[in-house]
Amino acid sequence: GAVVSQHPSRVICKSGTSVKIECRSLDFQATTMFWYRQFPKQSLMLMATSNEGSKATYEQGVEKDKFLINHASLTLSTLTVTSAHPEDSSFYICSADLQGYGSNQPQHFGDGTRLSIL
Amino acid sequence: TQLLEQSPQFLSIQEGENLTVYCNSSSVFSSLQWYRQEPGEGPVLLVTVVTGGEVKKLKRLTFQFGDARKDSSLHITAAQPGDTGLYLCAGMGTSYGKLTFGQGTILTVHP
Repeated sequence: GAVVSQHPSRVICKSGTSVKIECRSLDFQATTMFWYRQFPKQSLMLMATSNEGSKATYEQGVEKDKFLINHASLTLSTLTVTSAHPEDSSFYICSADLQGYGSNQPQHFGDGTRLSIL
Repeated sequence: TQLLEQSPQFLSIQEGENLTVYCNSSSVFSSLQWYRQEPGEGPVLLVTVVTGGEVKKLKRLTFQFGDARKDSSLHITAAQPGDTGLYLCAGMGTSYGKLTFGQGTILTVHP
């Protein structure tokens, strides 16, 4: 089955640090990837849609200068949390879909990155 | 904006009991997916339903998609402690590839 790899799985760093999270599709090409944020015991909140070769589309209320997304290849999207502060601490999850492989294909998720800002 | 109302939010039951989780919307979805998520991990796909009225079974789990493709349910028969986790429904709407997630159901099955 489709596999999405996310790295790192956990980051602990000081306030003001910028943190980059990688999302890779391992056995398929993903022209579109999605970045979510999840608070404890809550559902996933879509932050942005990452499009290969073009600018990401951000959801309302998500600061694009704060959360930089780069989708430079068909298998890699990165999310950079710039100048992270404690309120940015959260579980960040990426996903990729197989829409290019047929209609109604599901999204497959990475294992998430636990970001803790001290 | 499409919304997906998932209920109940919390469910705590004894091993062997049955349960049903519901997802309802006023919007039509082209497909609906159910995921299960363990703490510290990403959601894992359980099933995708596409056709109105469709019923899919996965061992003790039964998934149903409403005739109008606006609602779905997940029924678990004879729940086991291993079923404990966060269950998420997610609908695929008109925006290409974007999923609308329900609020999630935290299921705890006590031995």
